[in-house]
Amino acid sequence: KNEVEQSPQNLTAQEGEFITINCSYSVGISALHWLQQHPGGGIVSLFMLSSGKKKHGRLIATINIQEKHSSLHITASHPRDSAVYICAVRSGSNYQLIWGAGTKLIIKP
Amino acid sequence: DGGITQSPKYLFRKEGQNVTLSCEQNLNHDAMYWYRQDPGQGLRLIYYSQIVNDFQKGDIAEGYSVSREKKESFPLTVTSAQKNPTAFYLCASRGRGSTEAFFGQGTRLTVV
Repeated sequence: KNEVEQSPQNLTAQEGEFITINCSYSVGISALHWLQQHPGGGIVSLFMLSSGKKKHGRLIATINIQEKHSSLHITASHPRDSAVYICAVRSGSNYQLIWGAGTKLIIKP
Repeated sequence: DGGITQSPKYLFRKEGQNVTLSCEQNLNHDAMYWYRQDPGQGLRLIYYSQIVNDFQKGDIAEGYSVSREKKESFPLTVTSAQKNPTAFYLCASRGRGSTEAFFGQGTRLTVV
């Protein structure tokens, strides 16, 4: 079993829908990252969380440390949101990142 | 502006040739990391360095080599010993005591 599990693996939705991507982890962490990877491969860091909730534009990220779970929400989704969304956790004394496999999101107009 | 830069964005090489991927950061970060991503898979750690002149193997170091002669630079060489070098390579850096990582845009290497 992977230490970081994302769900769903693939998600297709219509423009305007509310999107939720989930990340569960089984290790103790010091921080959790949500990243966005575009088709060309470039990666953009969206959020870094260690507790609570963060909001940036139409994106919201939450984390529940007790339940070892984080969610990324996209409100009023748009085709330009189509990308792979990756969850990564920082664990251990050497601060290495443990990566989820990613969620491929397609938003149809 | 501070940041982390990988170059080139796309790289093509013939089979059997060594190739070096560049990663430079001007964030004064101590730690730097190299990851590899294959289609449909998560990123895997190749090498990391927590301080100048020191580096450690990650999960898939075979066929790769690195150097850390300067704090701001952590080049990755994909050697001819790497069986399947075609992949997306991502560099990251982190400041001492910080949990926040910064990421390069990545290099997509294709070996033909």
